[in-house]
Amino acid sequence: DAKTTQPTSMDCAEGRAANLPCNHSTISGNEYVYWYRQIHSQGPQYIIHGLKNNETNEMASLIITEDRKSSTLILPHATLRDTAVYYCIVRVVDNTDKLIFGTGTRLQVFP
Amino acid sequence: NAGVTQTPKFQVLKTGQSMTLQCAQDMNHEYMSWYRQDPGMGLRLIHYSVGAGITDQGEVPNGYNVSRSTTEDFPLRLLSAAPSQTSVYFCASSYLQGGYEQYFGPGTRLTVT
Repeated sequence: DAKTTQPTSMDCAEGRAANLPCNHSTISGNEYVYWYRQIHSQGPQYIIHGLKNNETNEMASLIITEDRKSSTLILPHATLRDTAVYYCIVRVVDNTDKLIFGTGTRLQVFP
Repeated sequence: NAGVTQTPKFQVLKTGQSMTLQCAQDMNHEYMSWYRQDPGMGLRLIHYSVGAGITDQGEVPNGYNVSRSTTEDFPLRLLSAAPSQTSVYFCASSYLQGGYEQYFGPGTRLTVT
């Protein structure tokens, strides 16, 4: 699976959009981009995933560049409850379903 | 649905002791896995299973055993606990293939003295 690079930490004002970048310059054509988050010390929570098209769900939007070498997770209206560590993971969708976590981005949402 | 459950929530062991961390899911997921998370680090995959009777090693399997006799349960055994195994352990499950999301349990915080 390809490696990812994320900033160590970011801040965001409550109510503003939080844009979390992820670099995955060695991504292969059959690898998907997944985002999970971990609030405090809870188990990670799935947010969204995509292959090459932009994706949106009730939690967030995922923007993947045309060359697929980077992506951005967008939380459109951040709340204090979005304070968490966000993990960008690149993986092949195969019959092993393994996720390889990096160290993620610690997002702090402030009032 | 209870989702993914883990027991115990907390455990303290002495070096050399053995124990089993329990993990169960009620979503009929084929895939189950165990991760450990050390302070300030991301999760690391210990072992995983793609179905009953099938297990395989992840990134950091040494010192741990697993078995999968049923679809619902995936226990993790520490054979002879060491201080280096002090960590938070998470179990996860998902449907196989199709890139489905993984559901994580609440974790077990283990301290080995």
